[in-house]
Amino acid sequence: QMRFQESGPGLVQSSETLSLTCSVSGDSTESSGNYWGWVRLSPGKGPEWIGSVSYLGTVSSNLSLKSRVSLSIDTARNQFALTLKSMTAADTAIYYCVRHRMGPYGTTLHFYDFWSQGVQVTVSS
Amino acid sequence: VVTQSPDSLALSLGERATIKCRTSHSVFSSIDNADYFAWYQQKSGQPPRLLISWASSRHIGVPDRFKGSGSGTDFTLTIDNLRAEDVGVYYCQQGHSAPYTFGQGTRVEIK
Repeated sequence: QMRFQESGPGLVQSSETLSLTCSVSGDSTESSGNYWGWVRLSPGKGPEWIGSVSYLGTVSSNLSLKSRVSLSIDTARNQFALTLKSMTAADTAIYYCVRHRMGPYGTTLHFYDFWSQGVQVTVSS
Repeated sequence: VVTQSPDSLALSLGERATIKCRTSHSVFSSIDNADYFAWYQQKSGQPPRLLISWASSRHIGVPDRFKGSGSGTDFTLTIDNLRAEDVGVYYCQQGHSAPYTFGQGTRVEIK
Protein backbone atom coordinates (compact mmCIF):
# COMPACT_ATOMS: atom_id res chain seq x y z
CA GLN A 1 0.00 0.00 0.00
CA MET A 2 1.53 3.27 -1.10
CA ARG A 3 1.75 6.06 1.48
CA PHE A 4 3.02 9.59 1.61
CA GLN A 5 4.50 11.35 4.63
CA GLU A 6 4.60 15.11 4.27
CA SER A 7 6.82 17.35 6.32
CA GLY A 8 7.01 21.11 6.53
CA PRO A 9 5.81 24.10 8.52
CA GLY A 10 2.16 24.83 9.08
CA LEU A 11 2.81 28.56 9.46
CA VAL A 12 4.85 30.73 7.11
CA GLN A 13 5.45 34.45 7.37
CA SER A 14 4.38 36.65 4.49
CA SER A 15 7.13 37.09 1.84
CA GLU A 16 9.00 34.06 3.19
CA THR A 17 9.57 30.69 1.46
CA LEU A 18 7.57 27.51 1.98
CA SER A 19 9.47 24.22 1.84
CA LEU A 20 7.59 20.91 1.87
CA THR A 21 8.93 17.40 1.50
CA CYS A 22 6.97 14.27 0.65
CA SER A 23 8.45 10.89 1.58
CA VAL A 24 7.13 7.90 -0.31
CA SER A 25 6.66 4.38 1.02
CA GLY A 26 5.22 1.42 -0.83
CA ASP A 27 6.45 2.66 -4.21
CA SER A 28 9.67 4.00 -5.69
CA THR A 29 10.22 7.54 -6.90
CA GLU A 30 12.54 6.13 -9.55
CA SER A 31 10.05 3.60 -10.92
CA SER A 32 9.58 4.07 -14.62
CA GLY A 33 6.38 5.88 -15.42
CA ASN A 34 5.81 7.52 -12.04
CA TYR A 35 5.20 11.23 -11.64
CA TRP A 36 5.09 13.05 -8.34
CA GLY A 37 3.11 16.22 -7.93
CA TRP A 38 1.68 18.86 -5.64
CA VAL A 39 -1.91 20.06 -5.48
CA ARG A 40 -3.31 22.65 -3.11
CA LEU A 41 -6.83 23.34 -1.93
CA SER A 42 -7.79 26.81 -0.78
CA PRO A 43 -11.02 27.60 1.09
CA GLY A 44 -13.96 28.04 -1.27
CA LYS A 45 -12.00 27.04 -4.37
CA GLY A 46 -11.39 23.90 -6.36
CA PRO A 47 -8.04 22.14 -6.11
CA GLU A 48 -5.12 23.71 -7.97
CA TRP A 49 -2.26 21.80 -9.57
CA ILE A 50 1.05 23.34 -8.55
CA GLY A 51 3.52 21.19 -10.44
CA SER A 52 5.00 17.76 -10.97
CA VAL A 53 8.38 16.06 -11.24
CA SER A 54 8.97 12.84 -13.14
CA TYR A 55 10.96 9.81 -12.16
CA LEU A 56 13.65 11.23 -14.48
CA GLY A 57 13.63 14.59 -12.72
CA THR A 58 11.74 16.44 -15.46
CA VAL A 59 9.74 19.30 -13.97
CA SER A 60 6.50 20.95 -15.07
CA SER A 61 4.62 23.60 -13.16
CA ASN A 62 1.59 25.86 -13.21
CA LEU A 63 2.49 28.98 -15.14
CA SER A 64 0.59 31.12 -12.65
CA LEU A 65 3.15 30.08 -10.03
CA LYS A 66 6.13 29.22 -12.20
CA SER A 67 8.44 32.06 -11.18
CA ARG A 68 7.99 31.17 -7.51
CA VAL A 69 7.92 27.35 -7.66
CA SER A 70 10.81 24.93 -7.47
CA LEU A 71 10.36 21.15 -7.55
CA SER A 72 12.92 18.43 -6.99
CA ILE A 73 13.21 14.70 -6.52
CA ASP A 74 15.66 12.68 -4.40
CA THR A 75 15.39 9.07 -5.51
CA ALA A 76 18.05 7.94 -3.02
CA ARG A 77 15.80 9.08 -0.16
CA ASN A 78 12.61 8.19 -2.05
CA GLN A 79 11.18 11.66 -1.61
CA PHE A 80 10.33 14.79 -3.54
CA ALA A 81 10.07 18.41 -2.54
CA LEU A 82 8.30 21.69 -3.20
CA THR A 83 9.63 25.19 -2.60
CA LEU A 84 7.32 28.19 -3.02
CA LYS A 85 8.89 31.62 -2.64
CA SER A 86 7.39 35.00 -1.71
CA MET A 87 4.38 33.55 0.09
CA THR A 88 1.27 35.71 0.49
CA ALA A 89 -2.13 35.22 2.14
CA ALA A 90 -3.40 33.90 -1.20
CA ASP A 91 -1.10 30.89 -0.77
CA THR A 92 -2.88 29.80 2.42
CA ALA A 93 -4.18 26.32 1.60
CA ILE A 94 -3.94 22.62 2.30
CA TYR A 95 -1.00 21.26 0.32
CA TYR A 96 -1.15 17.67 -0.91
CA CYS A 97 1.45 15.48 -2.56
CA VAL A 98 0.07 13.22 -5.27
CA ARG A 99 1.13 10.45 -7.62
CA HIS A 100 0.23 10.18 -11.27
CA ARG A 101 1.40 7.87 -14.01
CA MET A 102 2.49 7.61 -17.60
CA GLY A 103 -0.13 6.44 -20.04
CA PRO A 104 0.10 3.37 -22.29
CA TYR A 105 1.43 5.47 -25.20
CA GLY A 106 3.93 7.50 -23.21
CA THR A 107 1.76 10.50 -22.40
CA THR A 108 1.80 11.99 -18.92
CA LEU A 109 -1.56 11.30 -17.34
CA HIS A 110 -2.80 13.83 -14.83
CA PHE A 111 -5.09 11.46 -12.96
CA TYR A 112 -3.99 11.68 -9.33
CA ASP A 113 -4.47 8.19 -7.92
CA PHE A 114 -2.75 8.61 -4.54
CA TRP A 115 -2.92 11.65 -2.25
CA SER A 116 -1.25 12.50 1.02
CA GLN A 117 -3.37 13.53 4.01
CA GLY A 118 -2.32 17.11 3.34
CA VAL A 119 -0.61 19.84 5.32
CA GLN A 120 -2.45 23.01 6.27
CA VAL A 121 -0.19 25.95 5.44
CA THR A 122 -1.18 29.35 6.75
CA VAL A 123 0.57 32.54 5.72
CA SER A 124 0.83 35.04 8.52
CA SER A 125 1.46 38.75 8.13
CA VAL B 1 -11.46 26.53 -17.72
CA VAL B 2 -13.70 23.89 -16.16
CA THR B 3 -17.25 24.90 -15.21
CA GLN B 4 -19.04 22.61 -12.77
CA SER B 5 -22.72 22.59 -11.76
CA PRO B 6 -24.57 22.66 -9.50
CA ASP B 7 -22.68 24.12 -6.54
CA SER B 8 -24.64 21.94 -4.16
CA LEU B 9 -27.17 19.14 -4.20
CA ALA B 10 -29.46 17.88 -1.42
CA LEU B 11 -31.17 14.57 -2.16
CA SER B 12 -32.90 11.78 -0.29
CA LEU B 13 -31.31 8.41 0.31
CA GLY B 14 -31.73 6.16 -2.73
CA GLU B 15 -32.09 9.04 -5.20
CA ARG B 16 -29.82 9.77 -8.15
CA ALA B 17 -27.28 12.59 -8.08
CA THR B 18 -26.21 14.20 -11.34
CA ILE B 19 -23.23 16.55 -11.58
CA LYS B 20 -22.10 18.20 -14.80
CA CYS B 21 -18.88 19.75 -16.01
CA ARG B 22 -17.99 21.63 -19.14
CA THR B 23 -14.49 22.39 -20.35
CA SER B 24 -13.55 25.36 -22.51
CA HIS B 25 -11.64 23.13 -24.94
CA SER B 26 -11.95 19.51 -25.96
CA VAL B 27 -10.00 17.16 -23.71
CA PHE B 28 -9.99 14.31 -26.20
CA SER B 29 -6.59 12.87 -27.06
CA SER B 30 -6.02 11.18 -30.38
CA ILE B 31 -2.87 9.58 -28.95
CA ASP B 32 -4.75 7.64 -26.30
CA ASN B 33 -8.07 7.80 -28.20
CA ALA B 34 -9.74 8.85 -24.96
CA ASP B 35 -10.72 11.87 -22.92
CA TYR B 36 -8.38 13.15 -20.25
CA PHE B 37 -11.10 13.79 -17.68
CA ALA B 38 -11.47 12.71 -14.08
CA TRP B 39 -13.80 12.89 -11.10
CA TYR B 40 -12.81 13.00 -7.44
CA GLN B 41 -14.71 12.65 -4.19
CA GLN B 42 -13.64 14.44 -1.02
CA LYS B 43 -15.15 13.53 2.30
CA SER B 44 -14.80 15.75 5.34
CA GLY B 45 -11.28 15.71 6.77
CA GLN B 46 -9.91 13.52 4.00
CA PRO B 47 -7.93 14.17 0.83
CA PRO B 48 -9.70 13.90 -2.52
CA ARG B 49 -10.06 10.37 -3.86
CA LEU B 50 -9.94 9.46 -7.55
CA LEU B 51 -13.28 7.99 -8.61
CA ILE B 52 -13.25 8.08 -12.39
CA SER B 53 -10.48 8.53 -14.97
CA TRP B 54 -10.64 8.56 -18.77
CA ALA B 55 -14.09 10.16 -18.32
CA SER B 56 -15.82 6.85 -17.63
CA SER B 57 -13.40 4.34 -16.11
CA ARG B 58 -14.00 3.63 -12.44
CA HIS B 59 -10.87 3.54 -10.27
CA ILE B 60 -10.06 0.48 -8.19
CA GLY B 61 -12.62 -0.12 -5.45
CA VAL B 62 -15.17 2.44 -6.64
CA PRO B 63 -18.71 1.06 -6.51
CA ASP B 64 -20.59 0.73 -9.78
CA ARG B 65 -23.18 3.20 -8.45
CA PHE B 66 -20.75 5.86 -9.67
CA LYS B 67 -20.85 6.38 -13.40
CA GLY B 68 -18.91 8.84 -15.53
CA SER B 69 -20.01 9.74 -19.02
CA GLY B 70 -19.45 12.32 -21.74
CA SER B 71 -16.74 13.24 -24.20
CA GLY B 72 -15.05 16.24 -25.74
CA THR B 73 -16.18 19.15 -23.60
CA ASP B 74 -19.24 17.91 -21.67
CA PHE B 75 -19.09 15.39 -18.86
CA THR B 76 -21.46 13.98 -16.25
CA LEU B 77 -21.03 12.11 -12.99
CA THR B 78 -24.06 10.11 -11.93
CA ILE B 79 -24.41 8.55 -8.49
CA ASP B 80 -27.25 6.03 -8.38
CA ASN B 81 -29.00 4.88 -5.19
CA LEU B 82 -27.45 7.65 -3.07
CA ARG B 83 -26.11 6.43 0.25
CA ALA B 84 -25.14 8.29 3.42
CA GLU B 85 -21.44 7.57 2.80
CA ASP B 86 -21.62 9.47 -0.52
CA VAL B 87 -21.88 12.81 1.31
CA GLY B 88 -18.99 15.06 0.40
CA VAL B 89 -17.65 17.39 -2.27
CA TYR B 90 -17.15 16.16 -5.82
CA TYR B 91 -14.65 17.71 -8.20
CA CYS B 92 -14.14 17.25 -11.90
CA GLN B 93 -10.76 17.80 -13.54
CA GLN B 94 -9.37 18.06 -17.05
CA GLY B 95 -6.02 16.36 -17.52
CA HIS B 96 -5.47 17.45 -21.12
CA SER B 97 -3.66 20.76 -20.87
CA ALA B 98 -1.68 22.56 -18.19
CA PRO B 99 -2.62 23.76 -15.66
CA TYR B 100 -4.88 20.63 -15.45
CA THR B 101 -7.72 22.55 -13.90
CA PHE B 102 -10.43 21.39 -11.53
CA GLY B 103 -14.04 22.46 -11.22
CA GLN B 104 -15.03 24.46 -8.16
CA GLY B 105 -16.80 21.49 -6.60
CA THR B 106 -20.33 20.22 -5.92
CA ARG B 107 -21.37 19.57 -2.33
CA VAL B 108 -23.68 16.55 -2.05
CA GLU B 109 -25.84 16.29 1.05
CA ILE B 110 -28.65 14.07 2.25
CA LYS B 111 -32.05 15.71 2.85
